Amino acid sequence: GNSVTQMEGPVTLSEEAFLTINCTYTATGYPSLFWYVQYPGEGLQLLLKATKADDKGSNKGFEATYRKETTSFHLEKGSVQVSDSAVYFCALGSGGSNYKLTFGKGTLLTVNP
Amino acid sequence: NAGVTQTPKFQVLKTGQSMTLQCAQDMNHEYMSWYRQDPGMGLRLIHYSVGAGITDQGEVPNGYNVSRSTTEDFPLRLLSAAPSQTSVYFCASTGPARVQYFGAGTRLSVL
Repeated sequence: GNSVTQMEGPVTLSEEAFLTINCTYTATGYPSLFWYVQYPGEGLQLLLKATKADDKGSNKGFEATYRKETTSFHLEKGSVQVSDSAVYFCALGSGGSNYKLTFGKGTLLTVNP
Repeated sequence: NAGVTQTPKFQVLKTGQSMTLQCAQDMNHEYMSWYRQDPGMGLRLIHYSVGAGITDQGEVPNGYNVSRSTTEDFPLRLLSAAPSQTSVYFCASTGPARVQYFGAGTRLSVL
C-alpha cells in the first residue's frame, strides 16, 4: 500500500537558518506529491505540490523536487523566519483519481528569533 | 468565499452520547473527506464521498457514520462516543489539481 515517511521532529532552528525536512514515499503508479502546512490552531493548507517526476514545487520560499529515482520529496527553505513555525505534512495522492491523500505524521518546526 | 466551514469548533461529550460534526463547502467540489488528527499519528481518513449520495469508508471508520445528501454538506456522526474518539477532526474538499481544502477543525473531548 501507499505510505509516506517524513523525518521525526521536532525541529528547532534559529531565524535565517537553512531548513530541510525529509520525505520519502512508497506508492504504485505515478503519485502526485504535496506539502501541507498547519499553523497553530488552524487547519492544513497547501504549501506546494508536484505532479510528475523532476517537477519542482515552490511557494513562499519553500521548494521541493519530485525525485522518482529516490522516491523522495524533501522540503527546503534557504532562510527560515519565525513566522514559518508550524507543523509540516508530506502527502501523496495516488490511484486513478488521486483524490485520496496519504499523509506523513508531520514535523513540528519551531524557529527562534 | 468561505471555503470549508466546520462547526462546532470545540465540543465536550460524555461517553455514550451522540453528536454530529457539521461540514459545509461552497466551492462545488464533488469529493469530500473526514480525517482525525492525533498526536504522532498524522491524519487518518475516516470516511469520504465522491459525490452526493455516495460515501465510502476510509482507514478508521468504526464508530462513525456519514451521509451526503447534497454537494455542499458532509456531516460526520458519532453514534455512541468513546474516549478513544477524543481527537481533532478535519473536513476537507478536493478541488482542481487534486488540492485538498481543509476546514479549521473541531476539537472533541470525550470524558
